[in-house]
Amino acid sequence: KNQVEQSPQSLIILEGKNCTLQCNYTVSPFSNLRWYKQDTGRGPVSLTIMTFSENTKSNGRYTATLDADTKQSSLHITASQLSDSASYICVVSEYSSASKIIFGSGTRLSIRP
Amino acid sequence: SQTIHQWPATLVQPVGSPLSLECTVEGTSNPNLYWYRQAAGRGLQLLFYSVGIGQISSEVPQNLSASRPQDRQFILSSKKLLLSDSGFYLCAWSVDRAGYEQYFGPGTRLTVT
Repeated sequence: KNQVEQSPQSLIILEGKNCTLQCNYTVSPFSNLRWYKQDTGRGPVSLTIMTFSENTKSNGRYTATLDADTKQSSLHITASQLSDSASYICVVSEYSSASKIIFGSGTRLSIRP
Repeated sequence: SQTIHQWPATLVQPVGSPLSLECTVEGTSNPNLYWYRQAAGRGLQLLFYSVGIGQISSEVPQNLSASRPQDRQFILSSKKLLLSDSGFYLCAWSVDRAGYEQYFGPGTRLTVT
């Protein structure tokens, strides 16, 4: 069964600190992996998207990595800001399928001043 | 540029009443369209997707239905709401068959009382 598991479930860090969120998946055949940021009560917004051949992708202070061999991804946030408080969702798509898009349950990140 | 709209933003409906949520996309043609539901603290669950006018695929059996009367319009409906239909409903679109990059709308918060 295709699954996407994220850890930790929630995380609290101080403003200015770095953090890393994890995503493990079993989706096969693999097409792409995306990280989304979802503010409370809003729709998810894409941060990064990576295909099989990409190991890392950056978007400002967000850097995502992908190890397609171990089927693991991470999202590293540098110099966190209060506005980074949100849920971060890992999404993995199955190759050539409009519907086989598996969402992780997300990591709830809280940045404290 | 492309934009996606959902309305209403919030809705409170009694059990047994009908439902109609609308999603429209601007700035693109023949998009794939998706309806998701997100329960509190949970991941997104794909409800329906559509690859063209009148083409609807359901991912889970439920009390809801979807229709696509126009290329860029996607409607989520119910004849009689249940308490379990409460949640955050998100519409999304993508440009390719594999759902490579999805763009989400702002969402509709539905509370069934």
